[in-house]
Amino acid sequence: KAGVTQTPRYLIKTRGQQVTLSCSPISGHRSVSWYQQTPGQGLQFLFEYFSETQRNKGNFPGRFSGRQFSNSRSEMNVSTLELGDSALYLCASSWAAQQGMNTEAFFGQGTRLTVV
Amino acid sequence: AQSVTQLGSHVSVSEGALVLLRCNYSSSVPPYLFWYVQYPNQGLQLLLKYTTGATLVKGINGFEAEFKKSETSFHLTKPSAHMSDAAEYFCAVSPSGNTGKLIFGQGTTLQVKP
Repeated sequence: KAGVTQTPRYLIKTRGQQVTLSCSPISGHRSVSWYQQTPGQGLQFLFEYFSETQRNKGNFPGRFSGRQFSNSRSEMNVSTLELGDSALYLCASSWAAQQGMNTEAFFGQGTRLTVV
Repeated sequence: AQSVTQLGSHVSVSEGALVLLRCNYSSSVPPYLFWYVQYPNQGLQLLLKYTTGATLVKGINGFEAEFKKSETSFHLTKPSAHMSDAAEYFCAVSPSGNTGKLIFGQGTTLQVKP
């Protein structure tokens, strides 16, 4: 069974640009979550999508957005990039069919975004 | 709001020694608790999880953790450290049991000395 796949693995962008990151969950998983990891702030939850709907949202500005497609693949977009957006962006998928279900979250290897 | 505190950002042990990584949580409801490990330039791998039932949880690679409600703790232990255990470890709590949203601690880097 293939794991969670994130593309690209590395990305360099210039301030002010926008970027789109992609995540393909494990087959059969309908929940996809995104996290930002930085040395200063650690791992922070961005948002979760389930069946093409945003189910949970973290405390990030509106420049951060996401979507999920009918095949459960997800993308996250960051517009007007700032230097502080440089981070490892991790995607996780789980089978959880509804809130409160205890299922394991499987993480991808992440996309390392550098903003210059 | 739920939160997780990991005591000690860096822990150093000798190979063969006991590993103890500390995690305390705050939660107004019974929490679901997790420990994840991250190797350099990699994603997170689940070591173990506590949901309900037995408070001593065994995970992969010889790790285990004990849920202590009275102390709001979920410390991770391993009797004998191996060089391959050197990594960063994260404790996490799941609000309402929804593993789609995890709240992580700041992480503890484990160094294993030969």
